[in-house]
Amino acid sequence: DIQMTQSPASLSASPEEIVTITCQASQDIGNWLVWFQQKPGKSPQLLIYSATNLADGIPSRFSGSRSGTQFSLKISRLQVEDTGIYYCLQRYSNPRTFGGGTKLELK
Amino acid sequence: EVQLVESGGGLVQPGRSLKLSCVASGFTFSTYGMNWIRQAPGKGLEWVAYISSGSSYIYYAETVKGRFTISRDKAKNTLYLQMTSLRSEDTALYYCARETPGGYFDYWGQGVMVTVSS
Repeated sequence: DIQMTQSPASLSASPEEIVTITCQASQDIGNWLVWFQQKPGKSPQLLIYSATNLADGIPSRFSGSRSGTQFSLKISRLQVEDTGIYYCLQRYSNPRTFGGGTKLELK
Repeated sequence: EVQLVESGGGLVQPGRSLKLSCVASGFTFSTYGMNWIRQAPGKGLEWVAYISSGSSYIYYAETVKGRFTISRDKAKNTLYLQMTSLRSEDTALYYCARETPGGYFDYWGQGVMVTVSS
């Protein structure tokens, strides 16, 4: 099974800051990487698909990138509403596997 | 508007069975693959099962293989998850999610809670 190691597990940042969350795949997954945001008490919401593509309706301050088997989610100009838990998911092979999540809090 | 509405959850004793449903609307159900994903209380997301649009391809997580069965009914626009031999570790909020041909989960239901306890 492909392991997705997500870091950091949690972070706290101030509004307008830039934050980066990473997911390291245990093997090559191409661009089959998806990012989700889950706000408290809500279902996950798609943010980024195919590693770098912004989902419909998602603000442009969110962006995704890939370097080999390392994937990053960058949030520029952090807003209060960005609080939540962020997950990556590899869709390259079965079983599909999620990263452990990153809890983002605003200071 | 795309909607996915899960139902069928509840409190069940260990070893018993339960069947979850996910009714889809607002899109052509028969053309999308579907997934079940679960989230134990206070924990992260765990993928459970996938079924392709025509039910030709079905995959399970090792933790549920042999105990859970995913299926779909085109006429009823409904996805199912039959869960047997339930264990305490199956306690979770279960989500259904639509999967696009590009391989991403673009719509999720609101989730249904399953609690396995004596």
